[in-house]
Amino acid sequence: QQQVKQSPQSLIVQKGGISIINCAYENTAFDYFPWYQQFPGKGPALLIAIRPDVSEKKEGRFTISFNKSAKQFSLHIMDSQPGDSATYFCAASTGAAGNKLTFGGGTRVLVKP
Amino acid sequence: GAGVSQTPSNKVTEKGKYVELRCDPISGHTALYWYRQSLGQGPEFLIYFQGTGAADDSGLPNDRFFAVRPEGSVSTLKIQRTERGDSAVYLCASSRSGGELFFGEGSRLTVL
Repeated sequence: QQQVKQSPQSLIVQKGGISIINCAYENTAFDYFPWYQQFPGKGPALLIAIRPDVSEKKEGRFTISFNKSAKQFSLHIMDSQPGDSATYFCAASTGAAGNKLTFGGGTRVLVKP
Repeated sequence: GAGVSQTPSNKVTEKGKYVELRCDPISGHTALYWYRQSLGQGPEFLIYFQGTGAADDSGLPNDRFFAVRPEGSVSTLKIQRTERGDSAVYLCASSRSGGELFFGEGSRLTVL
């Protein structure tokens, strides 16, 4: 059972453009929603995370939007740069940030110069 | 070291063989996690240690998979009678209790 569904599987964006990745979850007990960035041959690295008591969180060029009623959350990458080319995973967990994560299937982002 | 260290980085084995994968977490991190990442997919949870004990092993796919963390630091993931379907990248992560997970670069296992 895939508890976190992520789309699209891949996307191509021009330098300076906006990348948008969407995730939907089923388990209403989830209360921690991080996004991870993974480069080839490396492990995932935490990018930004949100809890359901806020609808939006922004850190630099990265913004998470959260819709609790729809059980959806999204990552927006503003002013996309070639260095942002990577695979992005949404995830969810219950309780503390360190609890086991359920990951989405990933989105491969390519930023063209 | 500064980060989570995993060895070997690559392991090629034959079907039916036994494999051990090692994880050395960040110093002071009490929680340790193993995930498995198949090609083109997100990581899947295998097992979580808090200290020396396995707090949650619900993700282990079957009894061929076993993990230990005898002294609350280094952990070993053990796979018996490997099958071709076990081929994946095995990721280890560590954290302070309740804190952010830091992942290693993974051990790529190929079962021929």
